[in-house]
Amino acid sequence: ETGVTQTPRHLVMGMTNKKSLKCEQHLGHNAMYWYKQSAKKPLELMFVYSLEERVENNSVPSRFSPECPNSSHLFLHLHTLQPEDSALYLCASSQAYNSPLHFGNGTRLTVT
Amino acid sequence: KQEVTQIPAALSVPEGENLVLNCSFTDSAIYNLQWFRQDPGKGLTSLLLIQSSQREQTSGRLNASLDKSSGRSTLYIAASQPGDSATYLCAVNTGTASKLTFGTGTRLQVTL
Repeated sequence: ETGVTQTPRHLVMGMTNKKSLKCEQHLGHNAMYWYKQSAKKPLELMFVYSLEERVENNSVPSRFSPECPNSSHLFLHLHTLQPEDSALYLCASSQAYNSPLHFGNGTRLTVT
Repeated sequence: KQEVTQIPAALSVPEGENLVLNCSFTDSAIYNLQWFRQDPGKGLTSLLLIQSSQREQTSGRLNASLDKSSGRSTLYIAASQPGDSATYLCAVNTGTASKLTFGTGTRLQVTL
């Protein structure tokens, strides 16, 4: 039990599909994050939510749409993705901005 | 813009050896530095976090050091075991919203 649970673990979708990634944290943390991990590249921060408000959006294309309905849940809605969006999408949470991050096991996304 | 470099990219050592992983960063104005471990197909597990005012942190067989002025951190692993095989990532926090900049990691293999 990592404290941060992501579903699904694997997802294959066509470019015209709409799907959602889900993240749930059981740690009572106040901040949640979406990261993208592509092969041979450093992790890229996509979105940050603090107390359910989006505080950061790192120039992510609009085909990625985050949602944070409460402090324990975070979604990433996907639509009309491109093959280069295939990657491991990681969710993380932290108590505060300078606290250690706790990661989920990620969703391996393949766009065909 | 902060850049984080990890050398070597890959390392293979026999069981029982002590080893050092290196991390360097270009902007010394950091809040903290964090070392993570990532197993294949999994998320990241936080190993050690060093605040900018600290010089080192220890956890079991792991010791991380930080030299802010020179922009370097090392992760020392004593008496390596096959279970230590994983990718080790360092990340520096240079701003609010837990703005971590990650390196690309060192892939460690400990052989029997």
